[in-house]
Amino acid sequence: DGGITQSPKYLFRKEGQNVTLSCEQNLNHDAMYWYRQDPGQGLRLIYYSQIVNDFQKGDIAEGYSVSREKKESFPLTVTSAQKNPTAFYLCASRTQFSYNEQFFGPGTRLTVL
Amino acid sequence: DQQVKQNSPSLSVQEGRISILNCDYTNSMFDYFLWYKKYPAEGPTFLISISSIKDKNEDGRFTVFLNKSAKHLSLHIVPSQPGDSAVYFCAASAHVSGADGLTFGKGTHLIIQP
Repeated sequence: DGGITQSPKYLFRKEGQNVTLSCEQNLNHDAMYWYRQDPGQGLRLIYYSQIVNDFQKGDIAEGYSVSREKKESFPLTVTSAQKNPTAFYLCASRTQFSYNEQFFGPGTRLTVL
Repeated sequence: DQQVKQNSPSLSVQEGRISILNCDYTNSMFDYFLWYKKYPAEGPTFLISISSIKDKNEDGRFTVFLNKSAKHLSLHIVPSQPGDSAVYFCAASAHVSGADGLTFGKGTHLIIQP
């Protein structure tokens, strides 16, 4: 089945450690996105990529990094520079032929201990 | 400053009645609007969208209305069903600006009472 997968579902890390969240899609979508959701808040855009080997910062990119080496994959690294990393992280993608409808993965809950 | 606002954190509606969820925006560059439904610990699911050139879009039980002059949109669900209980997010994009990504409101928790 086509879709977006994020792994792991739950992730724990110690303060000061970097951690990478996985996002894979087999929908042949060109654009991919990372959002963050905090309790009682909407989703906020971290990074996005419209084509392979290219990506742009979103509204809250500080403390995060991404890569887009393959069309199917858009991993997000949460670095130790991110001051409040505990959150629910959502990956999304869309085809270039849909105006802006994005399809979301199931999310990863990151907790910093 | 919030560019997309959902001023009702929660809404309770009786099963079978109409649910109306509201959303206001401030950025006049927004030209495309979407509604997503979300359950806890899951990714949002796309429901319905509307372009700024239209004032209404309908899909089954869901209808979205856009009032550009008031910078307001609303989602109508008729009739409301128990499975509609979820958090609903309004989102907007400024496609013509060349930027990408969606700007989300904080969501409205819809509770359908039996």
